[in-house]
Amino acid sequence: AQSVTQLGSHVSVSEGALVLLRCNYSSSVPPYLFWYVQYPNQGLQLLLKYTSAATLVKGINGFEAEFKKSETSFHLTKPSAHMSDAAEYFCAVTRFGNQFYFGTGTSLTVIP
Amino acid sequence: NAGVTQTPKFQVLKTGQSMTLQCAQDMNHEYMSWYRQDPGMGLRLIHYSVGAGITDQGEVPNGYNVSRSTTEDFPLRLLSAAPSQTSVYFCASSSLGGAGAEAFFGQGTRLTVV
Repeated sequence: AQSVTQLGSHVSVSEGALVLLRCNYSSSVPPYLFWYVQYPNQGLQLLLKYTSAATLVKGINGFEAEFKKSETSFHLTKPSAHMSDAAEYFCAVTRFGNQFYFGTGTSLTVIP
Repeated sequence: NAGVTQTPKFQVLKTGQSMTLQCAQDMNHEYMSWYRQDPGMGLRLIHYSVGAGITDQGEVPNGYNVSRSTTEDFPLRLLSAAPSQTSVYFCASSSLGGAGAEAFFGQGTRLTVV
């Protein structure tokens, strides 16, 4: 069975500080991995995805994530947090782009 | 560029009532799905469809029904609403067969059952 684990349901960072949101996956074969962002009262929007082309994936709004097979991880980072980054972030895994398995989400708070 | 459109955005139901949540997409995607989002539980798959006339159950299908008569539409029916179905519901669509195809989400329907 495939699953993802997001460590830390709430993360707080100061504006300008590094953002690190953790995601570990469990899969018998290398999966496709995604990070989605959800702003308040909105749907989910794709930040970035890993599809085996490159281990370091760059997404929108300055976010990036690195696929580490040895650690079964796909952590999301951003060098400098902005107030507008405050949102809920979801890691998700799939194999053929159809059935997604989502983590429980991490709520990011940015402190001015 | 409508993408995935869900209606209504908000709904309050009484226990035992039935209703249909509408979902339509204009991207000609084969795959459509319904999720519910509850605090601390992420998104859980209710039902999904890989094309017109084909549906299947996801992780939490009890109390819900779906049909897929066209590629564009994938309504979700609550047969007899219960307070445990109070949640935010999301419809999503994606193309089949593409490597790591992105799922596109609607804006959600916030349902309260009293």
